[in-house]
Amino acid sequence: LAKTTQPISMDSYEGQEVNITCSHNNIATNDYITWYQQFPSQGPRFIIQGYKTKVTNEVASLFIPADRKSSTLSLPRVSLSDTAVYYCLVGDWNTGFQKLVFGTGTRLLVSP
Amino acid sequence: GAVVSQHPSRVICKSGTSVKIECRSLDFQATTMFWYRQFPKQSLMLMATSNEGSKATYEQGVEKDKFLINHASLTLSTLTVTSAHPEDSSFYICSARELKPETQYFGPGTRLLVL
Repeated sequence: LAKTTQPISMDSYEGQEVNITCSHNNIATNDYITWYQQFPSQGPRFIIQGYKTKVTNEVASLFIPADRKSSTLSLPRVSLSDTAVYYCLVGDWNTGFQKLVFGTGTRLLVSP
Repeated sequence: GAVVSQHPSRVICKSGTSVKIECRSLDFQATTMFWYRQFPKQSLMLMATSNEGSKATYEQGVEKDKFLINHASLTLSTLTVTSAHPEDSSFYICSARELKPETQYFGPGTRLLVL
């Protein structure tokens, strides 16, 4: 199983750009990198997924270097409602499909 | 993104009773669904993989006779907590696997409280 390492917590202010970096040194060739957001007492919400280079959608960007041993989730101009736990996951294809194993996540606190 | 629902959203039961939790993929078919549990201030822990039409695969340390999983259709998986005890109180979350691209979408979770 590929393991991921991310900062336990981060603080930011409204309107700032937030970058959360995740390390996954043992990522396998078939693994995708997926980021989820979780609010208290809710299920994780899919944010973005990528394999290499850069992926962008309406809420975030994901930067993946050529060696794929890390990735950075970029949240532009955060608001108070972005306060949540963010999980970086790398799929495990040993069973023939992507089995996600959650790490500790990064607790982001956005202040006024 | 795809939508996954869970029912009920919360349940309170007496010790020794069984509780069934449903997980549905509303706008896509899911041959594979997953069940997680989450304790307060902790991360999600994968309990089992639910495969449509076949037996579930349980993670190490998860009792298959206590947590019964049935995946009878491409849009429905159920988790039954049998003979529930207070230590089974937790937040149970399911996810459904969508293909093309390979992505998992999570349900809103079910809060179980066993008295």
